Amino acid sequence: DIQMTQSPSTLSASVGDRVTITCRASRSVNTWLAWYQQKPGKAPKLLIYKASYLESGVPSRFSGSGSGTEFTLTISSLQPDDFATYYCQQYNSYAKMYTFGQGTKLEIK
Amino acid sequence: QVTLKESGPALVKPTQTLTLTCTFSGLSLTTTSMRVSWIRQPPGKALEWLARFDWDDDKFYSTSLKTRLTISRGASKNQVVLTMTNMDPVDTATYYCVRDTRGFAFDIWGQGTMVTVSA
Repeated sequence: DIQMTQSPSTLSASVGDRVTITCRASRSVNTWLAWYQQKPGKAPKLLIYKASYLESGVPSRFSGSGSGTEFTLTISSLQPDDFATYYCQQYNSYAKMYTFGQGTKLEIK
Repeated sequence: QVTLKESGPALVKPTQTLTLTCTFSGLSLTTTSMRVSWIRQPPGKALEWLARFDWDDDKFYSTSLKTRLTISRGASKNQVVLTMTNMDPVDTATYYCVRDTRGFAFDIWGQGTMVTVSA
């Protein structure tokens, strides 16, 4: 199985900061990589799919990049609503299986 | 508007079989490239993909759980059912039904159903 490693596990930042979260795959997933935001007690929300495609309705301050084994989620200017936990997720097109990262909790500094 | 809703028991005993039903509206499993998956999340932990059912009746399972899982169409054409055998307290989690149409990303999620495994 492909393993996904997110870093950092916890990130403290302030409103207006630019933040980056990294996700590394144990082997190439091409661009089958998605990012989600989850708030306590809620289902995750899709932000980015195919590594860099912004889901409809998601603010443009969110962006994704990368391919192969290294990916990043960037929030250009943190807003109060952005403090949440973020997950990456890969799709292994050969094995037809999905794996999530362990999550990054974005906290207010 | 696409919606998915999970239903099933809130409490199961160890060794029992869990059956969860996903009832959806606004989508059809006969549409080419339509896929519905089950994902779970233990309290305070990360998400874990479990199984997927495709429009052409193809089925795929998590390697670590495949011997315990079965995914199938439900009695109604707008349902997908997941069964998990031999439940254990470590299977305590919120179970989500999700749609996968965005390049193998999950764009629509059900509200989730919490399942506790306890004697």
